[in-house]
This record gives sequence, C-alpha cells and structure tokens, in this order.
Amino acid sequence: AQKVTQAQTEISVVEKEDVTLDCVYETRDTTYYLFWYKQPPSGELVFLIRRNSFDEQNEISGRYSWNFQKSTSSFNFTITASQVVDSAVYFCALKTGNEKLTFGTGTRLTIIP
Amino acid sequence: DGGITQSPKYLFRKEGQNVTLSCEQNLNHDAMYWYRQDPGQGLRLIYYSQIVNDFQKGDIAEGYSVSREKKESFPLTVTSAQKNPTAFYLCASSMTQGFRENTEAFFGQGTRLTVV
Repeated sequence: AQKVTQAQTEISVVEKEDVTLDCVYETRDTTYYLFWYKQPPSGELVFLIRRNSFDEQNEISGRYSWNFQKSTSSFNFTITASQVVDSAVYFCALKTGNEKLTFGTGTRLTIIP
Repeated sequence: DGGITQSPKYLFRKEGQNVTLSCEQNLNHDAMYWYRQDPGQGLRLIYYSQIVNDFQKGDIAEGYSVSREKKESFPLTVTSAQKNPTAFYLCASSMTQGFRENTEAFFGQGTRLTVV
C-alpha cells in the first residue's frame, strides 16, 4: 500500500513570511517519484516539482525550495518571502512502479496581505 | 496545442441516471487517471490505466466504470450505483516510468458533476 500524509490542513501567514508545507509518504517500492502540485481557485492542478527516489538533492527554484529526506520519508516544500499569489491548495503526490499516483489531502495556504 | 481536454466543464444529471465524462489527451502518454475531489478534500483515485486495453481500480472505484480502447481516450462512467456522485472530477495523464524523467501527471480542467 502507498500513502501520502499532509498533516497541515490549513496554514495562514502574513505576506513576506516564510512557510513550510510538510509531506510524509509511505511505500514499499524502492523506485518511486514524488511531486508537488498547486491548485489555485480555478481548480486546475499546476505541476511544481518532481523528485525520484534516487536523487535526494534538494532543489531551489526562485522563492520555492524542496527538502527530500528518505530517512524520514519526507518531501517538504518551503516558500520564502510569501506573496498573496501563493495562496492556493498545495498537494504532495507519490507515484510507484505500477504507475499508481496517490495524492495527499492537501494543505490550504492563505497569505494575508 | 498539446494537452488534456475534459468535457463538459459542468454537468447536471438526475439521480439514477448513468453519466459519462470525457477525457482526451494528445500528449502521447501511456498512463491515464481519474480522480474525484469533494469540497475541501484531496484527490482520491478512482481508476487508472497504464496502457491501452488495461486499467486498475483505484481507492474508490465502486460505482464507477472506465474503458481504454484508445491511447488518447479514457472515459469515466458514473453509474447509478455511486451513492454520492456530486463532485469535481479530474482526469490526468503521464508518461510511464520507463522514462526516468518527465513522469509528472498533466491535468485537465475538470468536470463539475451535480446530481439532483
């Protein structure tokens, strides 16, 4: 069985604060992929980042950064200097060898001006 | 333009009727997926398909059926056996993991189904 847990249901921060969204996953596969998606109010899911199980290197893209730690089965997402446009629901997802793609329950992020 | 098309965007049906949601992709992806999203909830996997003429049940397949007769198409039928069909339905496709990179899923814009 595979599972993705996003324990933070809702987070609110004041604009320009940093915020970290947590993601913990479970799988017995040794080869797998992790993803983060953003869902703005329009409803369509926007892909943010992909990580495979062989690459634990952290990644930074502008104000976004991701921390992948296999030892704790976590793939956390940090937004630095948050902006109002970052307000959305963020989903973490896990894809295993049989192509099954499982999502967490999402974290609703609200940036207060 | 390459992408995934779901139609219609809004769909209304009477209780007890079957309804089919369309999903078409021109990305040449082998894998396709159907998810259900309820208000304030995450995405729950209904069915997925790795290849033409093959598909697997997801976590909430009861009351739904699918077919995969063509690579480009993965229609979802919501049957009268589905007790709470009103929801937002999202279709996605992706390359398979034989390709080490570019395995992320691309999503359609969704179909909002309301059963009255």
